[in-house]
Amino acid sequence: SAVISQKPSRDICQRGTSLTIQCQVDSQVTMMFWYRQQPGQSLTLIATANQGSEATYESGFVIDKFPISRPNLTFSTLTVSNMSPEDSSIYLCSAAGQGAEAFFGQGTRLTVV
Amino acid sequence: QKEVEQNSGPLSVPEGAIASLNCTYSDRGSQSFFWYRQYSGKSPELIMFIYSNGDKEDGRFTAQLNKASQYVSLLIRDSQPSDSATYLCAVKPGTGTASKLTFGTGTRLQVTL
Repeated sequence: SAVISQKPSRDICQRGTSLTIQCQVDSQVTMMFWYRQQPGQSLTLIATANQGSEATYESGFVIDKFPISRPNLTFSTLTVSNMSPEDSSIYLCSAAGQGAEAFFGQGTRLTVV
Repeated sequence: QKEVEQNSGPLSVPEGAIASLNCTYSDRGSQSFFWYRQYSGKSPELIMFIYSNGDKEDGRFTAQLNKASQYVSLLIRDSQPSDSATYLCAVKPGTGTASKLTFGTGTRLQVTL
């Protein structure tokens, strides 16, 4: 299984600011995925990040709000821009292992005040 | 119609009993099926995956897949209080690493003493 390190684990941010979340995988992976999980809800995919190309965003998510970088096969970042309280959530990065199964980082608990 | 459906629960079972968690999916072309366990405040942890019709056993866990009925289930034998968590069913259209997972809303399991 892939080991995924995500940081920060939590943060409290002022509205209008931005936060960048980092995700490091211990092996090279083709695709990385960013999810949001709001309290008591399931996981919602924000975007898929492929190395060397622009991320593919799901309906309801846009690059200006959630810019993603994928500079190499082991690393990705997600930025939550111009934050509002509605962005308070848990953000999770994910990568696929040898097969089709996906593994998750520890998550980032974001609170916007 | 939701793509992946689960009963939100809570499903309450006594310690030592069998817990049966169910999931249905709408995309008949789905090929890969996963069960994740998520403790409160933690990220999802992969516990089982299954690709072929039938049963797959791993310790106290058995995944069952019926593609004709578009149904996948997870049985937990000899349930323990430590099994109390939310169980997420996830479905992928292919068997490779590139395609994204679609998650159900999860079933909360409570194992009582």
